[in-house]
Parts: sequence; C-alpha cells; structure tokens
Amino acid sequence: GAVVSQHPSWVICKSGTSVKIECRSLDFQATTMFWYRQFPKQSLMLMATSNEGSKATYEQGVEKDKFLINHASLTLSTLTVTSAHPEDSSFYICSASGGTASDTQYFGPGTRLTVL
Amino acid sequence: SQKIEQNSEALNIQEGKTATLTCNYTNYSPAYLQWYRQDPGRGPVFLLLIRENEKEKRKERLKVTFDTTLKQSLFHITASQPADSATYLCALANQAGTALIFGKGTTLSVSS
Repeated sequence: GAVVSQHPSWVICKSGTSVKIECRSLDFQATTMFWYRQFPKQSLMLMATSNEGSKATYEQGVEKDKFLINHASLTLSTLTVTSAHPEDSSFYICSASGGTASDTQYFGPGTRLTVL
Repeated sequence: SQKIEQNSEALNIQEGKTATLTCNYTNYSPAYLQWYRQDPGRGPVFLLLIRENEKEKRKERLKVTFDTTLKQSLFHITASQPADSATYLCALANQAGTALIFGKGTTLSVSS
C-alpha cells in the first residue's frame, strides 16, 4: 500500500517552454502533497505544500508564478515549470500523505528535468 | 536556522558487519524523526519513523534510536548485505504528515 507515481520519469525540453509533472497517489487519498527538488549530492529541498482544494504554500525563495502547483483532487497534484531555463534542471520529487497513509510521507519515483 | 547533519557522506563496510549511521540536528525540536532509503535516480523509500517519546524502534535488520537530549538519532543495519548499498536520509518533522527537513544523506557501500 501507499504507492505514489510520477509522470513523466524524465523530460528534456527547450529553454522557454513549460513542463507539467503529475503526481498521483494510487491507493490512498492524499489530503496533502509536497513537492521537493534535489540537486546532485544534495538533500531534498521542499518547494511547496499543497492541500486538496487549496492554494499551495510555497517555501521562501520559490517563485509561485514559475512553479505552478495544482492539487485538484485527492489523488492528483501537478507541478508546472513555466518558461523553463537550464538552471531549473533538477530532480523533482513529490510526496503524499493522508487517509490510510497519514503517518508519514510516501514519495514518488521522481522526475528528471533537463532544460537545454 | 534549523540544521541536520549526517555524520559522513560515505560509509564503506564489509558484508555481515553492522552499519551505523548518525543524524544530528540543531535549532529544532522534532516530534518525529524518519529514515529513508534512496537509490540513484529514484525517490526516497520510507523505512522507519520514531517519535520523540520513543527511544528505539526496530524493523527486521534495522534499528533506530532517538535521543532528544543529545539531538541525535542512530540508524543501524545489522548483518549488512550488498543489497543494502544506497543513500540513507534522515528527516525531521513537527508532526505526522507535515513537511520534512532532510539531511544530505550518507551513502552506504557494502562489499562482499
């Protein structure tokens, strides 16, 4: 139980384009979803927290207009990187918590974004 | 500011030995401390959670201790195997299901 999926697993895009990443909780209702970013050999850094049906709460230094987060249902959250630039290249990981999986966070497999 | 330190970036041990990883934190009073395993290019996988009022937790070959006075957690893998080779992350939270603060991780290599 407590499985979280992400799609796509990797994406390459041109600078200036937008990329959408999906995060789904497959077997539980995720009242809260989190988006993290991880650079090589670095720890996971929280970008934002989203509760179903509410606006996301962004961490200091994370541009909300650049990283659009939507949590429209209890099983789906999306992160859209708008006008992507090479410095946005990173490993993006979502996690989910809630319902039968409220004791901790369960992570997706991550999405590797490369912006050329 | 809140800070989490994991004792070393890399730890190399021989198969069958016990691996001990350390997580220290400052400027924080977590209610929960968690350990995750992360393989290259993959998301973290939850291993164990220990609460502030618990001293020790075990799960199969894994054992976690939590000393809120020392602000330290120790993570042990007994009878280690090459398949245990991965990066292990320590993470803190104020309450269950809330945002986690992660350490950088310790990469464990178990040689046969």
